[in-house]
Amino acid sequence: DIVMTQSPDSLAVSLGERATINCKSSQSVFYSSNNKNYLAWYRQKPGQPPRLLIYWASTRESGVPDRFSGSGSGTDFTLTINSLQAEDVAVYYCQQYYSPPPWTFGQGTRVEIK
Amino acid sequence: QVQLVESGGGVVQPGGSLTLSCLASGFTFSNYGMHWVRQVPGKGLEWVAFIQKDGGDKYYVDSVKGRFTISRDNSRATLYLQMNSLRAEDTAIYYCAKVLPGPFDWWGQGTLVTVSS
Repeated sequence: DIVMTQSPDSLAVSLGERATINCKSSQSVFYSSNNKNYLAWYRQKPGQPPRLLIYWASTRESGVPDRFSGSGSGTDFTLTINSLQAEDVAVYYCQQYYSPPPWTFGQGTRVEIK
Repeated sequence: QVQLVESGGGVVQPGGSLTLSCLASGFTFSNYGMHWVRQVPGKGLEWVAFIQKDGGDKYYVDSVKGRFTISRDNSRATLYLQMNSLRAEDTAIYYCAKVLPGPFDWWGQGTLVTVSS
């Protein structure tokens, strides 16, 4: 199974500042035949289900604000939230869909306002 | 607008059974694979089961193999999760989720299953 490890477990960022979350997979999730990384990011606000933010490591889902961006390849990935808003307080998860089953998630990173 | 509405959660004794349902609308249900994902309140996400769009291929996390069965009725646009021999560690919020395909692009609000005597 591919293990996903996020860092940090939590972070506090001032409003308007940048938040950076890292995700590392135990093996590469890059498929050379189509040049894609099978990596997604989700945001889960309190009391709500997760919402897809980013897929293929860097493709923003429809309706997701452009302050969210994803980067990385192979085993190391980053979710960046530029100009943090109060509504971005949530837990963020990375997920691999390269080698299912199982589909595996990181343990989550909690983002709070400093 | 895509909607996924789970139902069937509740309190059940250890060793008991429960069937969850997920009613889909706003998209052509029969064109997409579907997942069940669970989350212990306050904890992380755990994928539970997947079923292909035609109901052919099914996959399960090791901890539920032989106890849970995923199925679907495309004529009713409904996904199911039959859960038998329930254990305390199965206590969680259960979400159904639609495949983009690849990532999970729509999630229901979840239904809480509590296994307790």
